[in-house]
Amino acid sequence: GNSVTQMEGPVTLSEEAFLTINCTYTATGYPSLFWYVQYPGEGLQLLLKATKADDKGSNKGFEATYRKETTSFHLEKGSVQVSDSAVYFCALSRMDSSYKLIFGSGTRLLVRP
Amino acid sequence: EAQVTQNPRYLITVTGKKLTVTCSQNMNHEYMSWYRQDPGLGLRQIYYSMNVEVTDKGDVPEGYKVSRKEKRNFPLILESPSPNQTSLYFCASSLLATSGGIYEQYFGPGTRLTVT
Repeated sequence: GNSVTQMEGPVTLSEEAFLTINCTYTATGYPSLFWYVQYPGEGLQLLLKATKADDKGSNKGFEATYRKETTSFHLEKGSVQVSDSAVYFCALSRMDSSYKLIFGSGTRLLVRP
Repeated sequence: EAQVTQNPRYLITVTGKKLTVTCSQNMNHEYMSWYRQDPGLGLRQIYYSMNVEVTDKGDVPEGYKVSRKEKRNFPLILESPSPNQTSLYFCASSLLATSGGIYEQYFGPGTRLTVT
């Protein structure tokens, strides 16, 4: 079946450190891939997306590249800030009749000053 | 401003007392969905709707009802709430892709429900 696996958190970093949150997926066909972010007390916001292999999504200094050969969509940021502390969710959507967004379990990031 | 709104944001109720959580979107999206978020279980889909009068079960539909009488609204109904429905609930909406499937979803701010 379709699934998304994320690295377990929490991930604790110092400000200005490099961030990687791993995400791998299992899906038939050619899914679209997403990263969502949930700040404390808020709903999920779309952070970035990629719709086909080798696409790179980017936003607010975050990047992720759709790697079909390794079925991965790892989230990276070169220099994190305290304000990046949040829970990050990787998700996929099969662009067929499944009409569903499949989420990973989420990874909590804590950035210390 | 394009948005998904939910009401109420916080609700404490007692077992068995019917309640409705409203959801409204102003983006003319065909697809709407309800999720619940629980610690250690991530987000689980309750129900979804692909258009007016078209609804279908998600992964955890037991104990919930929905209706889609207008394109912009998708209320979630708990006819007899129980403590195991204490959770954080999110409504979301999306455009439908012509080839099938959905594009990225836009989420509401969440409703924290406590059933005692």
